[in-house]
Amino acid sequence: AQTVTQSQPEMSVQEAETVTLSCTYDTSESDYYLFWYKQPPSRQMILVIRQEAYKQQNATENRFSVNFQKAAKSFSLKISDSQLGDAAMYFCAYRAPYSGGGADGLTFGKGTHLIIQP
Amino acid sequence: DTAVSQTPKYLVTQMGNDKSIKCEQNLGHDTMYWYKQDSKKFLKIMFSYNNKELIINETVPNRFSPKSPDKAHLNLHINSLELGDSAVYFCASSQGQGHRETQYFGPGTRLLVL
Repeated sequence: AQTVTQSQPEMSVQEAETVTLSCTYDTSESDYYLFWYKQPPSRQMILVIRQEAYKQQNATENRFSVNFQKAAKSFSLKISDSQLGDAAMYFCAYRAPYSGGGADGLTFGKGTHLIIQP
Repeated sequence: DTAVSQTPKYLVTQMGNDKSIKCEQNLGHDTMYWYKQDSKKFLKIMFSYNNKELIINETVPNRFSPKSPDKAHLNLHINSLELGDSAVYFCASSQGQGHRETQYFGPGTRLLVL
């Protein structure tokens, strides 16, 4: 079964600084997708960024970028110029092609609580 | 316009009761999902539906039953509620069931069983 590990339960960063959230995953698949979701106190799950495993180029979305290392099965999220509105739980998620064997949908890590210090 | 909506947002009930949570998406998506987020914030897939057909069923108790009257709706029925069912339940949808499809989440329903 696939697993996703986020080793940092909590991270703190000064406003306007850069922070990196780590994520590693375990899979025997070669084709899969990876996602970062943000969950602010409002509870809403918001897609931040996604990465296709077959693409070597790292995905970027404005201040958010990833460092995807396929061989190391690592998928970290970098947030540049941190803003107060970035404070939230961040979840790394994995999805492989559906094989009909049971588990489908997204497999999530346990999340990293990001605190932004003003 | 809300893409994926859930009702109610909060649900407080007694142990042993039967309750339902409704989910609707206006994105024209083919696949819908239910996830459970426990008290430690861990999210886990419960069910997914594609074209009104259940295509996966995680190891959840059979007290939980998803029902889809049409492609835009996937409701979650829970019978004989237990204390351990207290959690936040999220509905999500995607264009297809393929792994390339991004899932969009509803706002969640916080269920508290007393």
